Amino acid sequence: DADVTQTPRNRITKTGKRIMLECSQTKGHDRMYWYRQDPGLGLQLIYYSFDVKDINKGEISDGYSVSRQAQAKFSLSLESAIPNQTALYFCATSDFPRTNEQFFGPGTRLTVL
Amino acid sequence: GDSVTQMEGPVTLSEEAFLTINCTYTATGYPSLFWYVQYPGEGLQLLLKATKADDKGSNKGFEATYRKETTSFHLEKGSVQVSDSAVYFCALRTNFGNEKLTFGTGTRLTIIP
Repeated sequence: DADVTQTPRNRITKTGKRIMLECSQTKGHDRMYWYRQDPGLGLQLIYYSFDVKDINKGEISDGYSVSRQAQAKFSLSLESAIPNQTALYFCATSDFPRTNEQFFGPGTRLTVL
Repeated sequence: GDSVTQMEGPVTLSEEAFLTINCTYTATGYPSLFWYVQYPGEGLQLLLKATKADDKGSNKGFEATYRKETTSFHLEKGSVQVSDSAVYFCALRTNFGNEKLTFGTGTRLTIIP
């Protein structure tokens, strides 16, 4: 089984709908991250969490919210989706400071019509 | 702020050709440097890393050397294979604060037989 899983893998929704993307990990890592990937822009950090009670905004948090339900689960919500939130979304974990590597999930492709 | 500039793609090479993908960075202090690879339909995987000046990261025949004097971390491989076709991302991580990764825009590499 994959260490970092994301659900759903693909989602098409309409403008104004509330959407939740879920991330689960079995790596036992404290740190988790949400990124979005747009063509030609690389990955941009949306939110990150160092533990269940520590959640921080990233570079592009407007229009998004997160919930860290447990060490293993970190969800990303779009309260009212808009078309420019169409992107590929990645969850990642890190076992800092033991390593300085981030481990990525397979991604969720979200299309907002 | 921190930034990563990498060679724009797409790059198309014949099998067994020599590969260079350029990457330069701007950062405060002494960041760690990474190359990630994204195969079609998958999340990002760490390819190699270097944590201090003059370190050489290597994996699967790929190499990159951390050059502080030129603020560069160019990716090289002596003989590419069709299976190397993917998108390659250069990234840096500052070693203080939120430890977030800053990514370049990615370079799509296609190897033709």
